[in-house]
Amino acid sequence: EVQLLESGGGLVQPGGSLRLSCAASEFTFDNYALSWVRQAPGKGLEWVSAISGSGGSTYYAVSVEGRFTISRDNSKNTLFLQLDSLRAEDTAVYSCAKHQGFSVFKGRLDSWGQGTLVTVSS
Amino acid sequence: DIQMTQSPSSLSASVGDRVTITCRASQSIYGYLNWYQQKPGKAPKVVIFAASSLQSGVPSRFSGSGSGTDFALTISSLQPEDFATYYCQQSYSTPLAFGQGTRVEIK
Repeated sequence: EVQLLESGGGLVQPGGSLRLSCAASEFTFDNYALSWVRQAPGKGLEWVSAISGSGGSTYYAVSVEGRFTISRDNSKNTLFLQLDSLRAEDTAVYSCAKHQGFSVFKGRLDSWGQGTLVTVSS
Repeated sequence: DIQMTQSPSSLSASVGDRVTITCRASQSIYGYLNWYQQKPGKAPKVVIFAASSLQSGVPSRFSGSGSGTDFALTISSLQPEDFATYYCQQSYSTPLAFGQGTRVEIK
């Protein structure tokens, strides 16, 4: 069974930074695209960013472009999300999700982690 | 960017009812539409992918339809375990937008 375990969340002041990690297991990591999806308290799902299986292609939501950076280390089966210039509206549970294939497009998110909470507050 | 609009935002239904949730894309996404079910405190799980394909392990009372810009998720006979929030999501282009969600509650 696919396992995705996020870590790195916490309380940070506005303007601060955090680095989230997602440790993956039980699948061939570099064969699959991955996404970060967030959910603010009591709100819906918001797609944040995605990266192809090789890491050569990355994509971002307009709301985070230029502030967040997605990356992956295929030798360590780990996905990352660097969060900079954080704002109160970035407060959410951040979850990583596995795409059904190598590409970000035209497929489903077929496995999800439980998420890590990021709280941006002074 | 493609916007996804779900309706209704919430509904109340009884066990055994037939329930339909709709999702509209702001431009054609062909058949690249997925439906997810999320229960409180849990990760979402896909129930329908590619507009009408049933995810493995999901009961056959769930079905999906549509193409282009208009899609629907139908639960033919609502069961107690189906009370949850449902989201549509387009996978045609980035940003990979979700709908705002439909909360299915017990009447």
